[in-house]
Amino acid sequence: ETGVTQTPRHLVMGMTNKKSLKCEQHLGHNAMYWYKQSAKKPLELMFVYSLEERVENNSVPSRFSPECPNSSHLFLHLHTLQPEDSALYLCASSQWINLNTEAFFGQGTRLTVV
Amino acid sequence: AQKVTQAQTEISVVEKEDVTLDCVYETRDTTYYLFWYKQPPSGELVFLIRRNSFDEQNEISGRYSWNFQKSTSSFNFTITASQVVDSAVYFCALNVKETSGSRLTFGEGTQLTVNP
Repeated sequence: ETGVTQTPRHLVMGMTNKKSLKCEQHLGHNAMYWYKQSAKKPLELMFVYSLEERVENNSVPSRFSPECPNSSHLFLHLHTLQPEDSALYLCASSQWINLNTEAFFGQGTRLTVV
Repeated sequence: AQKVTQAQTEISVVEKEDVTLDCVYETRDTTYYLFWYKQPPSGELVFLIRRNSFDEQNEISGRYSWNFQKSTSSFNFTITASQVVDSAVYFCALNVKETSGSRLTFGEGTQLTVNP
């Protein structure tokens, strides 16, 4: 298996639920990212991990909690979400967090909060 | 602050037509990288090209070509002889240095539909 894999592909959850999104990369990359893609808006960077350490958190509400147990796996734990959190959540990885490094993306998890 | 503007929200063309997707960026940094990504219906963004701020040479790759004009802060993307498989959302992105590494800023994307 190669590339960046995200599970589940689709998720419907109630506002009181707790769920987790999973991302796995088999590219030997050292940096991993979570992005949120909402309709009619640019991709929003949520979290960045480099060598399993969080290096950026862009004022994301605490109801989103990332976890990076190793360089190949990244999780996004969700709890007490709001309907406006419904979006496509994309995971990406790159060799390093350098200027010239392209990111490789997963297919995303389509999240619907009801 | 960095910003990327893709003024064309949606473009619809007929197969075999040429189409140009516009991208205008803003940054005060002198060193930066520009990217184009394609997002097909399956969801994942696919890397197409990278260009650094010191290299203004245009690039051609098959039916794809890119025109980088630093004077107008633009990095436009042209598809020649478009095909139905080119239908996707295309994102332009700007990467600049941050204290924690680098930060990739995306435009809002252009939805390209190529009709048979």
